[in-house]
Amino acid sequence: NAGVTQTPKFQVLKTGQSMTLQCAQDMNHEYMSWYRQDPGMGLRLIHYSVGAGITDQGEVPNGYNVSRSTTEDFPLRLLSAAPSQTSVYFCASSWDSIYGYTFGSGTRLTVV
Amino acid sequence: GNSVTQMEGPVTLSEEAFLTINCTYTATGYPSLFWYVQYPGEGLQLLLKATKADDKGSNKGFEATYRKETTSFHLEKGSVQVSDSAVYFCALSEGDMRFGAGTRLTVKP
Repeated sequence: NAGVTQTPKFQVLKTGQSMTLQCAQDMNHEYMSWYRQDPGMGLRLIHYSVGAGITDQGEVPNGYNVSRSTTEDFPLRLLSAAPSQTSVYFCASSWDSIYGYTFGSGTRLTVV
Repeated sequence: GNSVTQMEGPVTLSEEAFLTINCTYTATGYPSLFWYVQYPGEGLQLLLKATKADDKGSNKGFEATYRKETTSFHLEKGSVQVSDSAVYFCALSEGDMRFGAGTRLTVKP
């Protein structure tokens, strides 16, 4: 039982490049979310989804796109990377948000 | 909007000391409340939760009570161990999940 799988674990990008962070879960969870974690700021919600075909913005959505074509996958796209997007990114999923989320192990992204 | 405020760290305690990490929240409705723990280099793990007022969540000797009248969900443990050293996050969920800034706990032998 893999849980929530994030790839890659580490990535270095140049300013202006684009990339997609992958997230997949095998628990048939409806809820999925992306967070970024920065020192002293906890986790901030980027985008979330309550089911396939449904997404919504969180606290810090600018510069990021998401789509949810299947229940299992919730990729996060950086359109044009900026140094301010240097962070650790976590994907999480849940059967229902009132029960708490299961987190992936994170992607550490550095934009130079 | 919904938000969580937790006490600033870092917190340093000796082994077997009593732990309290304060957490208060602001919410428009009736959220579920959570404590997560993050060990170095890892993702977050759910520690405990409470889904309605006066519920007490507990796990691994940690506990927290959902207090609607004071909008609080303070984390407590009677006797901490070195292995409890980690960052602790308070969170609330009302559809999406919002987190506090985290409190780093270091327990010294």
